[in-house]
Amino acid sequence: GAGVSQSPSNKVTEKGKDVELRCDPISGHTALYWYRQSLGQGLEFLIYFQGNSAPDKSGLPSDRFSAERTGGSVSTLTIQRTQQEDSAVYLCASTPRLGRGNTDTQYFGPGTRLTVL
Amino acid sequence: TQLLEQSPQFLSIQEGENLTVYCNSSSVFSSLQWYRQEPGEGPVLLVTVVTGGEVKKLKRLTFQFGDARKDSSLHITAAQPGDTGLYLCAGARGSNYKLTFGKGTLLTVNP
Repeated sequence: GAGVSQSPSNKVTEKGKDVELRCDPISGHTALYWYRQSLGQGLEFLIYFQGNSAPDKSGLPSDRFSAERTGGSVSTLTIQRTQQEDSAVYLCASTPRLGRGNTDTQYFGPGTRLTVL
Repeated sequence: TQLLEQSPQFLSIQEGENLTVYCNSSSVFSSLQWYRQEPGEGPVLLVTVVTGGEVKKLKRLTFQFGDARKDSSLHITAAQPGDTGLYLCAGARGSNYKLTFGKGTLLTVNP
């Protein structure tokens, strides 16, 4: 398939452990977003990449959260010393960002469900 | 502070009924999008509205952007079980690439 893929689909970890979540965007899409979706909440913006740079990291909840993107493609979201409140679905989206403006369609992956025990 | 308020939060109806869900804000948005999300999947874009007063139709779904570009509505005619899902509105402001999402309306259409 040519859609956004994320792995793993589910991750159960113990409090205090580190986790890495992976996102493979649609080929050729230059912009990539990470969101967090908690039960009963909307999508919470975490970080935005344009190419390999992250001009907006303002949504990262704490310094335990970090993300990188390599080769303008795959992105990894890392959560260190996980806490129970980190439990949520982490969604990745990509857009072509063909030009200026903000009405690009965001293509979402299926998400990674993270459970911290 | 939730910039986009969606109502109702939950809606359960019978097949064939009509319904409207709302997305309201005190802020002006340059564009507004509606997404539908099914369990275990990411949201999928339904429509983007950019002009105040704009109305767009997608089969049985009608989307409207308020004249002042602060609110939007989604009307579904003759709902079907396949319409079941979480409906999310998301707004963009100015040239900001960042979308602000509402909490969503969880729609259940019973056969």
